[in-house]
Amino acid sequence: GAVVSQHPSWVICKSGTSVKIECRSLDFQATTMFWYRQFPKQSLMLMATSNEGSKATYEQGVEKDKFLINHASLTLSTLTVTSAHPEDSSFYICSAIDWGGRANTEAFFGQGTRLTVV
Amino acid sequence: QQPVQSPQAVILREGEDAVINCSSSKALYSVHWYRQKHGEAPVFLMILLKGGEQKGHEKISASFNEKKQQSSLYLTASQLSYSGTYFCGTAKSSGDKLTFGTGTRLAVRP
Repeated sequence: GAVVSQHPSWVICKSGTSVKIECRSLDFQATTMFWYRQFPKQSLMLMATSNEGSKATYEQGVEKDKFLINHASLTLSTLTVTSAHPEDSSFYICSAIDWGGRANTEAFFGQGTRLTVV
Repeated sequence: QQPVQSPQAVILREGEDAVINCSSSKALYSVHWYRQKHGEAPVFLMILLKGGEQKGHEKISASFNEKKQQSSLYLTASQLSYSGTYFCGTAKSSGDKLTFGTGTRLAVRP
């Protein structure tokens, strides 16, 4: 199956600094990628839809100026958490769909990034 | 709105069966089922498309009732490896973003 690689797998940063998370589709082109956030013992909550070559679409309540998304190529989307605070500590997961010309297919997930802001 | 899953948690003995339900308040095109182990990304189990189809994969199968906007995941003769949190993800159209359900924590004991 298709592979989505996410990096780093974990990061610890100081409050007020910025952190960049990368999501790559290794063997397919992803025009659309999705960024989710998951707090402990909770479900995955969609933050934004990343569109190659255009602006990301953010879900209600997600600050677009705080969570910067860039989808510069068909295989790479990045999420930058700016001026991180302890409440931003969470598990961030990206996903992408390998269409392959099919009408419907599964979403492939990256390994996730555990962000801890101290 | 987030799909509601039931039960919230279940504990099984190895070899027992379980059913996990996913209910949406919106019309659905597809339902995706995933299992997530602690600290890991979700792992895909199966997709069901509207049309009331049912799928099976060894001892794990699922059904999708489009009219009721509900899907159920059936785990038979559970194994220790089935432990984890199960999420349904729903889409309103092909290629649409997935909205994940509230989750069901499953623990299989020896």
